[in-house]
Amino acid sequence: AQSVTQPDIHITVSEGASLELRCNYSYGATPYLFWYVQSPGQGLQLLLKYFSGDTLVQGIKGFEAEFKRSQSSFNLRKPSVHWSDAAEYFCASAGGTSYGKLTFGQGTILTVHP
Amino acid sequence: EAGVTQFPSHSVIEKGQTVTLRCDPISGHDNLYWYRRVMGKEIKFLLHFVKESKQDESGMPNNRFLAERTGGTYSTLKVQPAELEDSGVYFCASSQAAYLNYGYTFGSGTRLTVV
Repeated sequence: AQSVTQPDIHITVSEGASLELRCNYSYGATPYLFWYVQSPGQGLQLLLKYFSGDTLVQGIKGFEAEFKRSQSSFNLRKPSVHWSDAAEYFCASAGGTSYGKLTFGQGTILTVHP
Repeated sequence: EAGVTQFPSHSVIEKGQTVTLRCDPISGHDNLYWYRRVMGKEIKFLLHFVKESKQDESGMPNNRFLAERTGGTYSTLKVQPAELEDSGVYFCASSQAAYLNYGYTFGSGTRLTVV
């Protein structure tokens, strides 16, 4: 069975600082990988996705993520955080027999200090 | 285009009562998914419709949950009778096809509180 782990429940950064949110997946083959963000009162918004090819993927809002097969990781990064990035972030995977069905991590709440 | 719409946005009911959640997908999206996040836990898959048919309902917790999608348009998720552990946020998502590169569009969710 697939699983996704986000080790950090809550992260606090200062505005303008760099950000890295961790995500580890467990799956025999290469999964499809996603990062979603949920702002208060909003639905889940897709930031970026990885299916194959270039292991560094660019997303919306200045985010990027890097797929590292050797570490089973798909960490999300942003070079300079804005106060509006404060939200909850979810890593998710899909693939194999779970076709079309996403497996989510526990989520990471990001707080941004001015 | 209009997004995925869910209502109500919040619902507070007593244990033993019935609640029906509704999801209106994006027009033309054949695939509709229900997910749930119980407090402090990860978001978990409940079921997947393709048009009006249940493609995968492996995540439905028990027979107190009934999902329908009449005519392949909107979907309802009924909980009857509701229990305390049913509290959480219920998300709906839709996509044009089950191919993941089309991407999901999620609704804002319904926060259900059972007291």
